[in-house]
Amino acid sequence: AQSVTQLGSHVSVSEGALVLLRCNYSSSVPPYLFWYVQYPNQGLQLLLKYTSAATLVKGINGFEAEFKKSETSFHLTKPSAHMSDAAEYFCAVRPGSARQLTFGSGTQLTVLP
Amino acid sequence: GAGVSQSPSNKVTEKGKDVELRCDPISGHTALYWYRQSLGQGLEFLIYFQGNSAPDKSGLPSDRFSAERTGGSVSTLTIQRTQQEDSAVYLCASSLASQGSEKLFFGSGTQLSVL
Repeated sequence: AQSVTQLGSHVSVSEGALVLLRCNYSSSVPPYLFWYVQYPNQGLQLLLKYTSAATLVKGINGFEAEFKKSETSFHLTKPSAHMSDAAEYFCAVRPGSARQLTFGSGTQLTVLP
Repeated sequence: GAGVSQSPSNKVTEKGKDVELRCDPISGHTALYWYRQSLGQGLEFLIYFQGNSAPDKSGLPSDRFSAERTGGSVSTLTIQRTQQEDSAVYLCASSLASQGSEKLFFGSGTQLSVL
């Protein structure tokens, strides 16, 4: 069975600072990995996804994530936080062609002025 | 429509009543998912439909929960004899196919409150 662990349910950064949201997964087969974002009062939307084409994946709004098989991690980063990045971020894993997409418990990002 | 539509957006009900939540997926999307989002929790998988295949019901928490998808489009999630622990946001998502890497499009959810 697959699972996802997001370290830190709340993360606060100053505007302009590095954003690092951590995600570790477990999967018995090579997985597809995703980051979804939920802005206030909006539905979840895809930020980026890993499909084995490249270990460093670039997404929307300047975010990127690196797949590290040896560490079973898929951490999300952004070099410089913007106020508009304040949202809840969810990491998700789907092993191969499995039907279920398993989500982590989410990390609420706060950006301080 | 342009996106996944869910109705109602908010539902308040009394303990013991039955509720029906509706999801209209994006036209042409063959895969449809229901998730539940509780405060402080992640998204809990409930059920998955793919075309004419038998649904994956492995995430339904009890036999009070059921879902159907008529004509491969609209889906209804039914909760019978609601309990307070059923209070959550119920999210529906759809996608073009289910081969692993496809993007899910989510609706805005139904906020269910059981008093």
